[in-house]
Amino acid sequence: QSALTQPASVSGSPGQSITISCTGTSSDVGSYNLVSWYQQHPGKAPKLMIYEVSKRPSGVSNRFSGSKSGNTASLTISGLQAEDEADYYCCSYAGSSTFEVFGTGTKVTVL
Amino acid sequence: QVTLRESGPALVKPTQTLTLTCTFSGFSLSTSGMCVSWIRQPPGKALEWLALIDWDDDKYYSTSLKTRLTISKDTSKNQVVLTMTNMDPVDTATYYCARTSPDTAMAFDYWGQGTLVTVSS
Repeated sequence: QSALTQPASVSGSPGQSITISCTGTSSDVGSYNLVSWYQQHPGKAPKLMIYEVSKRPSGVSNRFSGSKSGNTASLTISGLQAEDEADYYCCSYAGSSTFEVFGTGTKVTVL
Repeated sequence: QVTLRESGPALVKPTQTLTLTCTFSGFSLSTSGMCVSWIRQPPGKALEWLALIDWDDDKYYSTSLKTRLTISKDTSKNQVVLTMTNMDPVDTATYYCARTSPDTAMAFDYWGQGTLVTVSS
């Protein structure tokens, strides 16, 4: 099972919106509405930001939103803030044999 | 308050077997829908899902590592154990345990702080 494909880096200025893509296949992203997104600051554990494609856990800012079209999921960060600078990973359920697959990760830089 | 904490050796030699323990609190792994996974991250690289055990003692493994991994749980101790055989330097990584709950479907909603395992002779 190959990792989901994400851009290596995305950048934006404070206040702007950015979108991170996560491309999988019809066996994972395309088959299940079970895509999640994680934020990871250097030296820290990942933090759940989005689950089931577009749902936000309690306490996560509504500046973070998720969507999916076909085999590609997306995470949008609106009103970019300095604290959003981190690595972001998508993850998708891929069926009972492969189970879970993570993305390649995207480094978000706030200019 | 949900917490998870990984413990195990910081250094293992090539060919040895690694045993990691995840000790958790704030939930029960006997509750329907609860699961604990192990996930690793080599230095500077992406996350990789390794294994999952659920409330019903069903176990799932990474296809590429299946022959080397064993996951088990001790519900009375609130612990999940992962063993990985035949360790190699490429297995050097931070190993995390993380919870999946019915509230967040297959997402990992709580993570431990991770434990760095270095494989070197």
